Amino acid sequence: DTGVSQDPRHKITKRGQNVTFRCDPISEHNRLYWYRQTLGQGPEFLTYFQNEAQLEKSRLLSDRFSAERPKGSFSTLEIQRTEQGDSAMYLCASRDDGELYEQYFGPGTRLTVT
Amino acid sequence: KNQVEQSPQSLIILEGKNCTLQCNYTVSPFSNLRWYKQDTGRGPVSLTIMTFSENTKSNGRYTATLDADTKQSSLHITASQLSDSASYICVVGAKAAGNKLTFGGGTRVLVKP
Repeated sequence: DTGVSQDPRHKITKRGQNVTFRCDPISEHNRLYWYRQTLGQGPEFLTYFQNEAQLEKSRLLSDRFSAERPKGSFSTLEIQRTEQGDSAMYLCASRDDGELYEQYFGPGTRLTVT
Repeated sequence: KNQVEQSPQSLIILEGKNCTLQCNYTVSPFSNLRWYKQDTGRGPVSLTIMTFSENTKSNGRYTATLDADTKQSSLHITASQLSDSASYICVVGAKAAGNKLTFGGGTRVLVKP
């Protein structure tokens, strides 16, 4: 499968624990996005990488959230001291260059904080 | 503030019938408009992408229209099938650093036999 992959697909954690998600983009794509989606809503932008550089972060990304893309390939999203409000689907997407690009989404990681 | 509003929030249609979903946006400067289909528990999948100069684009039984003057788009589903049950998300791209996308809240479509 040469699409965007995410791991794990589901994560249940207790409030206060740290969690880390991984995203593997399509190999030739140098741009990678993280989104958060709650039930019945569209995805909300969290952060964006071009290669290894994190170029933009949403105000939704509190200091408990950190994202990295160390070698410009896979990316990780870590949430520290999870709260129940962090329960959501976390989506990763990648795209190639060009104004009229196609953005490909991964299957998402469903986080449940109990 | 860039916004994308979709209507209705949800709808139920009978298999074989047609339906039309609406999208209004206030995104500037406008670059492109996309419709995505999202099955439950999965990531969105692109259906169509339209630029300012395009006013209609089809993908099988899905036809999207764009009126850039009124900042409205629609997605028409013809001869609906059970597999069309999903959320349909309108997404608008802006001419800005990273070509950031603004997502609508989606319309949840349920096709009943």
